Amino acid sequence: DQQVKQNSPSLSVQEGRISILNCDYTNSMFDYFLWYKKYPAEGPTFLISISSIKDKNEDGRFTVFLNKSAKHLSLHIVPSQPGDSAVYFCAARIYSAGNTPLVFGKGTRLSVIA
Amino acid sequence: DTAVSQTPKYLVTQMGNDKSIKCEQNLGHDTMYWYKQDSKKFLKIMFSYNNKELIINETVPNRFSPKSPDKAHLNLHINSLELGDSAVYFCASSQLHVNYGYTFGSGTRLTVV
Repeated sequence: DQQVKQNSPSLSVQEGRISILNCDYTNSMFDYFLWYKKYPAEGPTFLISISSIKDKNEDGRFTVFLNKSAKHLSLHIVPSQPGDSAVYFCAARIYSAGNTPLVFGKGTRLSVIA
Repeated sequence: DTAVSQTPKYLVTQMGNDKSIKCEQNLGHDTMYWYKQDSKKFLKIMFSYNNKELIINETVPNRFSPKSPDKAHLNLHINSLELGDSAVYFCASSQLHVNYGYTFGSGTRLTVV
């Protein structure tokens, strides 16, 4: 049972344009959401997060939007750069419950074409 | 300095063997995790330790046994390896109740032949 779903396995974007990566979740108890970025042969690295009390969080070129009613979040990268080419994982947890672990989606492979 | 380091990075072994993967973190975190990324690319939690105490134990076969000698180390021992154990195993650490996400190691690619 996938609680966190990333339905697009891959995405190609031209350099300088916007990349939009999507994520859906099924567990309404999730109250904290994160995006991780992963390069080949490396571990995932934390990118940006958002609490369920917010609907937007911005950090430089990266913005995460949360739509709780739709159980949907998205990561926007503007402008996209070739170094952004990686696999992006969406993750969620029930922070208010304490020890619950991060639940990850399958990832979306982003390719930014120069 | 590597924050979360795993050894070995690659491990090829025969079915039926016993092997261990080691993980160490120098971030001062109090919680450590093992995640498994299988062929379908899902990252799934296996175990979590907080200050050497097991706090999460997902439905993982008994052949997998984690050990945490101190809060900076979490090792994973696997007995009687099977073909289906082939995967990438990631160690991670965090500070419990601090919501800055996990710091992951670079992974151990285990191949059982």
